[in-house]
Amino acid sequence: GENVEQHPSTLSVQEGDSAVIKCTYSDSASNYFPWYKQELGKGPQLIIDIRSNVGEKKDQRIAVTLNKTAKHFSLHITETQPEDSAVYFCAASKDTDKLIFGTGTRLQVFP
Amino acid sequence: EAGVAQSPRYKIIEKRQSVAFWCNPISGHATLYWYQQILGQGPKLLIQFQNNGVVDDSQLPKDRFSAERLKGVDSTLKIQPAKLEDSAVYLCASRSFLGASEQFFGPGTRLTVL
Repeated sequence: GENVEQHPSTLSVQEGDSAVIKCTYSDSASNYFPWYKQELGKGPQLIIDIRSNVGEKKDQRIAVTLNKTAKHFSLHITETQPEDSAVYFCAASKDTDKLIFGTGTRLQVFP
Repeated sequence: EAGVAQSPRYKIIEKRQSVAFWCNPISGHATLYWYQQILGQGPKLLIQFQNNGVVDDSQLPKDRFSAERLKGVDSTLKIQPAKLEDSAVYLCASRSFLGASEQFFGPGTRLTVL
């Protein structure tokens, strides 16, 4: 079955710096790759997603890139702010259905 | 619009006891999911409903877990009897229809089994 690996498990950055989180998936049939942000005591919230027919997508300070050949996708956060501190999960699925999540990255942004 | 509602938010039980969780999805959302999130891990799908029918329950430990979605709206997830390894956050999510992208998650129920 599908397996999603996520790195790093923790990431500490200074406010204003960039943060990059990387994921690798195993099932070449996967075609939908969302990123979720989970704050303490809350459920995951979708922040950006990308489909396999697109190589890159950007939304303000957040961008996601996809390399289908290598089965890699990455989340890029620029100009980080303390409120970006949270746990970030990548996921992969076929046709937006059954999501397989990575193990999460705890991002800490220090003022 | 109101989000996905779950109750209770916290539950502490002893092993071998029973427990039930309730989920009210976003109004009009046809697809409902239950996930198990063990501390330090990503959510893992337990069961998926489309209206009141089960689409996927391949990851549900059916000897102790059961779920239903009567009338295609609210859903309950039950564990009977609970084991120590069931300690986790149980997340409910909903999606408007098959093919829509975003799954909306509730705040979860944190279960501790002693």
